[in-house]
Amino acid sequence: EPEVTQTPSHQVTQMGQEVILRCVPISNHLYFYWYRQILGQKVEFLVSFYNNEISEKSEIFDDQFSVERPDGSNFTLKIRSTKLEDSAMYFCASSEGMGSYEQYFGPGTRLTVT
Amino acid sequence: QKEVEQNSGPLSVPEGAIASLNCTYSDRGSQSFFWYRQYSGKSPELIMSIYSNGDKEDGRFTAQLNKASQYVSLLIRDSQPSDSATYLCAVNMGNSGYALNFGKGTSLLVTP
Repeated sequence: EPEVTQTPSHQVTQMGQEVILRCVPISNHLYFYWYRQILGQKVEFLVSFYNNEISEKSEIFDDQFSVERPDGSNFTLKIRSTKLEDSAMYFCASSEGMGSYEQYFGPGTRLTVT
Repeated sequence: QKEVEQNSGPLSVPEGAIASLNCTYSDRGSQSFFWYRQYSGKSPELIMSIYSNGDKEDGRFTAQLNKASQYVSLLIRDSQPSDSATYLCAVNMGNSGYALNFGKGTSLLVTP
């Protein structure tokens, strides 16, 4: 069964560094998303991406964040100048679109900023 | 601020019983409603989607939606210990957005 994959599973970085989180969405899906979940808190929407551009973003998704679809399979989230409060699980999700709205989540990347 | 509210639990039910999980939402423009299951340390796993008022059944799971009351629920029949997890209610944001607004989740414990 097709699934969303994410790498790495765990990333440790120092405050102020840049990180890139990678995702491979399900191959025939057209919509891609990033969410985060701080430990003990709810899942929060960051950004959605369709047709090579951002379609929605939350207040969390400020200039520190960017997304890219560098090729036909990968979808990345870049976090510049990381802060302690960026420590969280980051989930990539994808949906088929075209009237199908179910979002399927990848296993997540645990980001730890020290 | 659009809210999705769930009782945090834990909701404890004996094996074989029906577990009832509830969710209310504030955004009247929402059109798509989802239930996810999340085991500790894992990612959300989609269980059910529902878009129209009424009931939708899938195996042991039944989702119920009442848009007038802004209420969505999930029933789990014949609960099993493996159903012990946190159940997340998710609602799309606004009339046409795909982004999901999640509740904090209800912790379900099924005791043998």
